[in-house]
Amino acid sequence: AQRVTQPEKLLSVFKGAPVELKCNYSYSGSPELFWYVQYSRQRLQLLLRHISRESIKGFTADLNKGETSFHLKKPFAQEEDSAMYYCASNSGGYQKVTFGTGTKLQVIP
Amino acid sequence: GAVVSQHPSRVICKSGTSVKIECRSLDFQATTMFWYRQFPKQSLMLMATSNEGSKATYEQGVEKDKFLINHASLTLSTLTVTSAHPEDSSFYICSALAVEGADGELFFGEGSRLTVL
Repeated sequence: AQRVTQPEKLLSVFKGAPVELKCNYSYSGSPELFWYVQYSRQRLQLLLRHISRESIKGFTADLNKGETSFHLKKPFAQEEDSAMYYCASNSGGYQKVTFGTGTKLQVIP
Repeated sequence: GAVVSQHPSRVICKSGTSVKIECRSLDFQATTMFWYRQFPKQSLMLMATSNEGSKATYEQGVEKDKFLINHASLTLSTLTVTSAHPEDSSFYICSALAVEGADGELFFGEGSRLTVL
């Protein structure tokens, strides 16, 4: 079964500091990895997916198969980045997504 | 992007009654929708996969007679919590799979908070 682990429940950083939200997955096949974000009082929305290899709102995430990780990074945190971030994976093809427990990012002004 | 709407956003009901939550894809057709449950400060737990025109597929541990799912059209799936009890109080979220032009992206509803008294 797929499993997604986000070890940090809360991550507090100062504005302008680098951010790294950790995510590890366990799946022996070729999963597709995602990061979803939920801003205060808003619905969950896709932030980025590993197959796109793009940077969204300054965030990037690289799939490391050796470490089975998909950490989310941003070099300079902004206040508007404060939100809940969920790492997720699926087994490819079928969109049955497994979510991690989420990390709350708090950017301190 | 595509929009998924849930209704009602909040509902309070008495123990023993049934509650229906609707999930609609507003500007696209969704052959597959998903229902999740989220407890406070916890992750989304997939409850079931709803397929248009066929029976829903429930995850292990989810009672199908308790949580009735109907996906009668390509834009609407409903979740009915039958004979609700206080332990059913939770935040229920749906998502819809948009296939055309989005390579299988999931779009989420805003969630429905159920409180059972």
